[in-house]
Amino acid sequence: ILNVEQSPQSLHVQEGDSTNFTCSFPSSNFYALHWYRWETAKSPEALFVMTLNGDEKKKGRISATLNTKEGYSYLYIKGSQPEDSATYLCAFNYGQNFVFGPGTRLSVLP
Amino acid sequence: KAGVTQTPRYLIKTRGQQVTLSCSPISGHRSVSWYQQTPGQGLQFLFEYFSETQRNKGNFPGRFSGRQFSNSRSEMNVSTLELGDSALYLCASSADNHGSYEQYFGPGTRLTVT
Repeated sequence: ILNVEQSPQSLHVQEGDSTNFTCSFPSSNFYALHWYRWETAKSPEALFVMTLNGDEKKKGRISATLNTKEGYSYLYIKGSQPEDSATYLCAFNYGQNFVFGPGTRLSVLP
Repeated sequence: KAGVTQTPRYLIKTRGQQVTLSCSPISGHRSVSWYQQTPGQGLQFLFEYFSETQRNKGNFPGRFSGRQFSNSRSEMNVSTLELGDSALYLCASSADNHGSYEQYFGPGTRLTVT
């Protein structure tokens, strides 16, 4: 059974703080790693698709890195804003389907 | 481009009944995947359809089935509903069925089984 873990489970930060989360996945049979942002009462929104070891992706204040050899990805948010409050999900794809992590719930306090 | 749509958005059913949920993907997308989210659980993969064929299936009982039509719209059926089937059901579409393609999620159908 493939297991994808995320830490921390939840996080409270002050507006303006920078933060990061971890996604751990199996280091074998890697195909792709996806990050999603899921705001309450909305659909999960794709942030990044990462496929190569050493990949670094950036979208505004959010960036992500990938290490497929050791099986982890980091998501960074610089200068958190209240609108960043959401659950951040990672999903591991091994060529067949997706295995999602449980998510990290971020709350940014104004 | 219109996003992924799911109908109905909310549904209440009784144990033992069956239910059909519908998902319309983004125009041009041929892959549709279904997921279940229950309280305390992450998103659990149900199955994926690509060009009317089921390509992958998750670890769910045979009561959960699906199909995809020639216009890529997909339906999911759950027969003999159980209380534990109460969940948010999400579908996602992508341009292709390779895992490196972005998935676009619909708003979900919240199913309550009483």
